Amino acid sequence: NAGVTQTPKFQVLKTGQSMTLQCAQDMNHNSMYWYRQDPGMGLRLIYYSASEGTTDKGEVPNGYNVSRLNKREFSLRLESAAPSQTSVYFCASSDSSGSYNEQFFGPGTRLTVL
Amino acid sequence: AQSVSQHNHHVILSEAASLELGCNYSYGGTVNLFWYVQYPGQHLQLLLKYFSGDPLVKGIKGFEAEFIKSKFSFNLRKPSVQWSDTAEYFCASSSQDTGRRALTFGSGTRLQVQP
Repeated sequence: NAGVTQTPKFQVLKTGQSMTLQCAQDMNHNSMYWYRQDPGMGLRLIYYSASEGTTDKGEVPNGYNVSRLNKREFSLRLESAAPSQTSVYFCASSDSSGSYNEQFFGPGTRLTVL
Repeated sequence: AQSVSQHNHHVILSEAASLELGCNYSYGGTVNLFWYVQYPGQHLQLLLKYFSGDPLVKGIKGFEAEFIKSKFSFNLRKPSVQWSDTAEYFCASSSQDTGRRALTFGSGTRLQVQP
């Protein structure tokens, strides 16, 4: 049981390049999330997917797109990377049934945009 | 909209000292509250959570937190810290009232425990 996995762990991009961050979970969770973590700002929600086939914007969606490929996988795409997108990206998942939503986090992707 | 405030940005303690980290949330409805810990170079791990019931919640590694609804607070405590508690601590909330389950995080508190 791997929990939440993310690839890659590290990435360096040049301004304007594109890339996709991959996330997968094996806990049969309905909901998945993408956050970015910046110093002194905690984690901020980029996009989330309450269930397979649905996605919604979070607090900081500009410059990103997402795809909920199936129940297990939720990818984050940067179409044209900018230095402001230098950050650590965390994927998370939760079982959204009921009122509880403990989230389980992946190991993160450290992205640098030059 | 929800918000979470953590007032202590950086705390330095000696081993065996007591710890209390402040957390205040703004949402007026029914909330879930969490404390996560991030050890250096690692991902976030859940320390403890509050959904309902007893407002004093015990978590892993000797941590506890108290939910005080009248103060919109959920402070984290530990009677005696260890060097291995050096980490960043995040308070988070989510609403039980809406279908949206995403977490709102505070800005984090960096704890440094000196041996």
